[in-house]
Amino acid sequence: DVKVTQSSRYLVKRTGEKVFLECVQDMDHENMFWYRQDPGLGLRLIYFSYDVKMKEKGDIPEGYSVSREKKERFSLILESASTNQTSMYLCASSFYYGTSGLLAKNIQYFGAGTRLSVL
Amino acid sequence: SQQGEEDPQALSIQEGENATMNCSYKTSINNLQWYRQNSGRGLVHLILIRSNEREKHSGRLRVTLDTSKKSSSLLITASRAADTASYFCATDGTSGSRLTFGEGTQLTVNP
Repeated sequence: DVKVTQSSRYLVKRTGEKVFLECVQDMDHENMFWYRQDPGLGLRLIYFSYDVKMKEKGDIPEGYSVSREKKERFSLILESASTNQTSMYLCASSFYYGTSGLLAKNIQYFGAGTRLSVL
Repeated sequence: SQQGEEDPQALSIQEGENATMNCSYKTSINNLQWYRQNSGRGLVHLILIRSNEREKHSGRLRVTLDTSKKSSSLLITASRAADTASYFCATDGTSGSRLTFGEGTQLTVNP
């Protein structure tokens, strides 16, 4: 079975702290994603990565950065945590079949989530 | 509004009844997926339907897709209390590996 592991289930940090959220997958997936989930807003994509050392901005990248030094690990960094970054953070990975069209089977596998509180 | 909107936002039924959730989207897609999320946990993939398919079954799940109306439905038959969760549709918008998720339907199945 695919396993995506997030380093912490719950995290409490103070405003201004630098925060690292770690995600590791064991299925040799090329693609990795970071989302945040807030009530009434669904899942919003922060950043994603198609390969080692590659990153692409999602819909809400402001205030975040990412690092992918190894294929299995994708880190989300809050440079200076703020209270509006209190949220549930979800990591996911996928293996993309085919280049486009009907061959695509872009199923994502999620970690259990990290609930971050910034005080 | 976002690609992938579920309807209703919340649904409460009795055990044994069927549950139907709907999803609408805006752009062309390669496939549409449904995911489930138990409270406080990550999402789990349930089923994928390709744009050239109209219906797909998996156990007690039945998914339909109408690309002309840009809509999909997820039917859970003979629901159980353990089906209580949030259900999300996700579309790929032909852009590749990135998915766009809707806001989800919260399903409560009462014993």
